[in-house]
Amino acid sequence: ETGVTQTPRHLVMGMTNKKSLKCEQHLGHNAMYWYKQSAKKPLELMFVYNFKEQTENNSVPSRFSPECPNSSHLFLHLHTLQPEDSALYLCASSQEPGISSGNTIYFGEGSWLTVV
Amino acid sequence: GNSVTQMEGPVTLSEEAFLTINCTYTATGYPSLFWYVQYPGEGLQLLLKATKADDKGSNKGFEATYRKETTSFHLEKGSVQVSDSAVYFCALSDLGGSGNTGKLIFGQGTTLQVKP
Repeated sequence: ETGVTQTPRHLVMGMTNKKSLKCEQHLGHNAMYWYKQSAKKPLELMFVYNFKEQTENNSVPSRFSPECPNSSHLFLHLHTLQPEDSALYLCASSQEPGISSGNTIYFGEGSWLTVV
Repeated sequence: GNSVTQMEGPVTLSEEAFLTINCTYTATGYPSLFWYVQYPGEGLQLLLKATKADDKGSNKGFEATYRKETTSFHLEKGSVQVSDSAVYFCALSDLGGSGNTGKLIFGQGTTLQVKP
């Protein structure tokens, strides 16, 4: 238990569906992240939110739409995805917006997404 | 740009064998270095970290030393167990041109299989 909870753990969706991934952190952190883990590729940062404000969008297609209503919750809205978007989507959080000696990023267990 | 290179897997060892997983990096500035572990079906967990040159991170019998002269952060364990079977990711903090963005750059991961 890392303090970062993701739901659902597994999701299968069609290319015309609209679905959302949810992340909640119970650590009192101010920064939250979405990462994508595809087979045989390094983890890729998608979005960074600091104090509910998006501070980084790593050239992510608009079919992925993040939402951060407060510092504890982060959503990833999915619409008209492609089969190549099938991957493990990892949410993470950290106390501060950035990497420093005292700041560690904690990951959730991930949501396995399959697009059919 | 910044990057992380890990030895390719899978690495297959017998129980109680000595483990080394090589990790080298390319970075500007002074990044922090991390090892994350991903057990089957789970998300990433921070295993250990080091924030400056010559620091040694350690946890659960695993160690890694931040070697600036060789730009390396090799993971070692003296005696592996079957329960150590997992994928291990080396990562560095990407400080970015504008400062501290909270972005982690990951290697591709090394799968460790420990046989009884």
